[in-house]
Amino acid sequence: EPEVTQTPSHQVTQMGQEVILRCVPISNHLYFYWYRQILGQKVEFLVSFYNNEISEKSEIFDDQFSVERPDGSNFTLKIRSTKLEDSAMYFCASGSNGKNTGELFFGEGSRLTVL
Amino acid sequence: DAKTTQPNSMESNEEEPVHLPCNHSTISGTDYIHWYRQLPSQGPEYVIHGLTSNVNNRMASLAIAEDRKSSTLILHRATLRDAAVYYCILRSLTEGAGNQFYFGTGTSLTVIP
Repeated sequence: EPEVTQTPSHQVTQMGQEVILRCVPISNHLYFYWYRQILGQKVEFLVSFYNNEISEKSEIFDDQFSVERPDGSNFTLKIRSTKLEDSAMYFCASGSNGKNTGELFFGEGSRLTVL
Repeated sequence: DAKTTQPNSMESNEEEPVHLPCNHSTISGTDYIHWYRQLPSQGPEYVIHGLTSNVNNRMASLAIAEDRKSSTLILHRATLRDAAVYYCILRSLTEGAGNQFYFGTGTSLTVIP
């Protein structure tokens, strides 16, 4: 069964450092998403991406965040200068359609720890 | 996005049916009702979705009230592997691409052996 894969599974970084989280969505999917989940809290929407551009972003997704689909297979989330509060599990998701009927497939997540 | 209300937690005995309720009194006519679950230390996983009619798949059944203001996810025989947080989410039909949806706090289901 096709799946969304994410790397790294866990990254530890110092505050102020740049971090790139990588995702390989399911190959024929066109819609891509990043969500995050701070420990013990709910899953929060960050950004959605379609046709090589951001289609929507939340208030969390400020100028420190960026997304890219550099080579047609990877979908990356970059945090330019990490803060302690960026420590969370980051989930990538993809979908074959952007309609309200479509299901999203989530990866296993990348745990980011900012020290 | 329209809001959903779910109990914070529920318990079930193994091999018994589980009915997980969700209220969505402000649902609009084009909102689909989706259910996802999140097993411990994993990403969310699609369970089922529907619009008006009851739906069945290999994982669960979804019973939707006639007025669509509430729905119930039914696990026919709970197993230990079903212990997870279950999210009831309304997915709106909006212009443009994305149609991302928003997770609430969900119902944490404990399955007792």
